[in-house]
Amino acid sequence: GAGVSQSPSNKVTEKGKDVELRCDPISGHTALYWYRQSLGQGLEFLIYFQGNSAPDKSGLPSDRFSAERTGGSVSTLTIQRTQQEDSAVYLCASSLVREMREQYFGPGTRLTVT
Amino acid sequence: AQKVTQAQTEISVVEKEDVTLDCVYETRDTTYYLFWYKQPPSGELVFLIRRNSFDEQNEISGRYSWNFQKSTSSFNFTITASQVVDSAVYFCALSGPGANNLFFGTGTRLTVIP
Repeated sequence: GAGVSQSPSNKVTEKGKDVELRCDPISGHTALYWYRQSLGQGLEFLIYFQGNSAPDKSGLPSDRFSAERTGGSVSTLTIQRTQQEDSAVYLCASSLVREMREQYFGPGTRLTVT
Repeated sequence: AQKVTQAQTEISVVEKEDVTLDCVYETRDTTYYLFWYKQPPSGELVFLIRRNSFDEQNEISGRYSWNFQKSTSSFNFTITASQVVDSAVYFCALSGPGANNLFFGTGTRLTVIP
């Protein structure tokens, strides 16, 4: 079946602009995760959604970052007033339920802030 | 606190050689989960294996094998008869029972030279 998809695959934006990154999880997966992968920082957890529960936002680096998940499926990660340090690959993952643990990752969105 | 250490930053081997990627973890949880992921040049993280802390049985899947030793807090990954297609960055990760995310090591870049 279809895996996790993300769009756009690449995004170049000017410092100070807002960006939206989209994630379509695997159909039927109730848990959805966002991570950031940048040079020197490895893979950092950002936010987690499980069904209709309140999201775990403990990994968001600042209040410029927010995320939504509509209808328990598609998720959008929004970065406001982008900074150069936001440049990274943003990865989305989903799993059947959190307890299944293994997460399946999308191809990522490479964000470059100029 | 959860921590995963992959001390080997980069490894190069000649095709058909065996190679072992090291992973050492730290956790205070008595129940936890360990993972290995592969990130080929295309960028998408590919799930390889999940191991529960209460199951120390080693696992073999084709040319891949994993050695889990609780006594040394290690979960090492061996590729037998390496092939060029094995060239990738390999990540070890850890998750606890109360955690919503995976804690990743910094990864080991494996290059298999033909």
